[in-house]
Amino acid sequence: DVKVTQSSRYLVKRTGEKVFLECVQDMDHENMFWYRQDPGLGLRLIYFSYDVKMKEKGDIPEGYSVSREKKERFSLILESASTNQTSMYLCASSMDTTEAFFGQGTRLTVV
Amino acid sequence: GESVGLHLPTLSVQEGDNSIINCAYSNSASDYFIWYKQESGKGPQFIIDIRSNMDKRQGQRVTVLLNKTVKHLSLQIAATQPGDSAVYFCAESSNTGKLIFGQGTTLQVKP
Repeated sequence: DVKVTQSSRYLVKRTGEKVFLECVQDMDHENMFWYRQDPGLGLRLIYFSYDVKMKEKGDIPEGYSVSREKKERFSLILESASTNQTSMYLCASSMDTTEAFFGQGTRLTVV
Repeated sequence: GESVGLHLPTLSVQEGDNSIINCAYSNSASDYFIWYKQESGKGPQFIIDIRSNMDKRQGQRVTVLLNKTVKHLSLQIAATQPGDSAVYFCAESSNTGKLIFGQGTTLQVKP
């Protein structure tokens, strides 16, 4: 079974902190994704990576950056956390144009 | 730009009835479509997919219909059960592998 693991289920951070959200997949997938999920807005794509060191902006990349140094790991970085980044963050991975598998999510609260 | 939308934020059905959840997409270049189910506290889980060279695909109690002429996708759930209560998302993908989601429909099953 594919496993996508996000490092934390819940995080509380202070405004202005640099925040790292980590995601690891164990199926050698090329594609990895970071989404945020907010009530009434569905899943919005922040960044997409289609290979090691390759990335593409999604719909809402402002305030975020990503790192993909190894194929299995995709990190989301909040350079300076703000309260409007309080959200549920979901990581996913996929092979080519096939279904994506999701992690359990990280609920981030910025205070 | 790309967008994937669902027609109704909430759908309420009686247990045992059939459910139909609709989705409209805007990117004519999308060639792969997926339906996901998300239960409370969990990441989205794959239900069924369809490629653009098909107009119908059936799974266990679920059917996906694709109408490329009007860019419409639907998910039909037969004999809806309480365990089907969840948020349902449609998603579209083009040949880049980038996956874009709609806003979601909450399915409520009344006993």
